[in-house]
Amino acid sequence: QSALTQPPSVSGSPGQSVTISCTGTTTDVGGYNYVSWYQQHPGKAPKLMIYEVSKRPSGVPDRFSGSKSGNTASLTVSGLQADDEADYYCNSYAGSNNFVFGGGTKLTVL
Amino acid sequence: EVHLVDSGGGLVQPGGSLRLSCAASGFTFTNHYMDWVRQAPGKGLEWVARITNKPSSYTANYAASVKGRFTISRDDSKNSLSLQMNSLRTEDTAVYYCTRDAFTALDVWGQGTMVTVSS
Repeated sequence: QSALTQPPSVSGSPGQSVTISCTGTTTDVGGYNYVSWYQQHPGKAPKLMIYEVSKRPSGVPDRFSGSKSGNTASLTVSGLQADDEADYYCNSYAGSNNFVFGGGTKLTVL
Repeated sequence: EVHLVDSGGGLVQPGGSLRLSCAASGFTFTNHYMDWVRQAPGKGLEWVARITNKPSSYTANYAASVKGRFTISRDDSKNSLSLQMNSLRTEDTAVYYCTRDAFTALDVWGQGTMVTVSS
């Protein structure tokens, strides 16, 4: 199972919006509505931010939103804040009780 | 409070073995699938293994990179998850995270335990 494709880095100024893409295939992203997104600050464990493409767990600000079109999922962070600076990883169910992660995207708040 | 505590990491020589453990608390462990995810130094996340719950027959699945070398198991009576790692390679060096599996996402993560495979 190959890793999902994410851009290595994105950046934006405080208050702006950024979108991170996550491209897979018909056997993972395109085949299931089970895409999730994780935020990881340096030296910390990842935190679930979005699940099932666009759902937010309790406590995650509505500035974080997710979507999917075909084999590509996206995470949008609006109203950028300094604490949003982190690494973001997408993940998709890939069938047969397997999951696959993206390579990760470093979000820099300028 | 929902909590996962990973332990068992350390330094091991190539070809050696190590057993990781994860202690769960604050939720009904028996209801949940559980997974291990790892992160090599400076690299991204890699899903390692999943074990289902009793109603789903404790089925285990593995990433191709560890299949045949790693074994995931659970003890519902002790609310614990384990990962037995054999025939370790230098490329297995990583922080290993225990995670709670909400069927479509990994919603709770342990703090991670470092495994270093080196001679």
